[in-house]
Amino acid sequence: LAKTTQPISMDSYEGQEVNITCSHNNIATNDYITWYQQFPSQGPRFIIQGYKTKVTNEVASLFIPADRKSSTLSLPRVSLSDTAVYYCLVVLHTGRRALTFGSGTRLQVQP
Amino acid sequence: SAVISQKPSRDICQRGTSLTIQCQVDSQVTMMFWYRQQPGQSLTLIATANQGSEATYESGFVIDKFPISRPNLTFSTLTVSNMSPEDSSIYLCSVTGLTGGESGNTIYFGEGSWLTVV
Repeated sequence: LAKTTQPISMDSYEGQEVNITCSHNNIATNDYITWYQQFPSQGPRFIIQGYKTKVTNEVASLFIPADRKSSTLSLPRVSLSDTAVYYCLVVLHTGRRALTFGSGTRLQVQP
Repeated sequence: SAVISQKPSRDICQRGTSLTIQCQVDSQVTMMFWYRQQPGQSLTLIATANQGSEATYESGFVIDKFPISRPNLTFSTLTVSNMSPEDSSIYLCSVTGLTGGESGNTIYFGEGSWLTVV
């Protein structure tokens, strides 16, 4: 399984754009990059998944360069409710296996 | 998407006792997993719950301590046996492989069961 590395923590202010970068140097051809969000005392929630270039949904954007060795989760105009732990994971395309979680990035949004 | 219900959501348990956590999914799923998340830590996979057969355990987890059942495609249980304070954690049920629909490969999590052992 490809190992991921991401910052342990980040701080931001309301209204700012937050970019969290994750490195996954050993990503395999059939792997997708997936991000989850976890609030305290809750289960992780799927945010976004991509293979290459850019993916955007109503919550976030995911930027993946051509070599796919890293990815950046972009959260536009964060609010206090975006304070959470964000996990970057590399998953097999079929998704039919458990996820291996790294330490995640703890985002603290200040007023 | 899948709606995953876990029971209990929270419990305080006596040392030496056992507790069974239930996970109910609102649709049939191919795979079900159990995770543990200790306070302030990331998630650790305990085992994959296999329908009709013994669960597949990860290194460091054994069936005697964490017996798992999965009688059908929508339900699984995890028992934490002979509990000690070190077992105080959130236990999370996770599923993937929803039958039908475009979200078949997405992995979903329940809200977790928070156990405190005293």
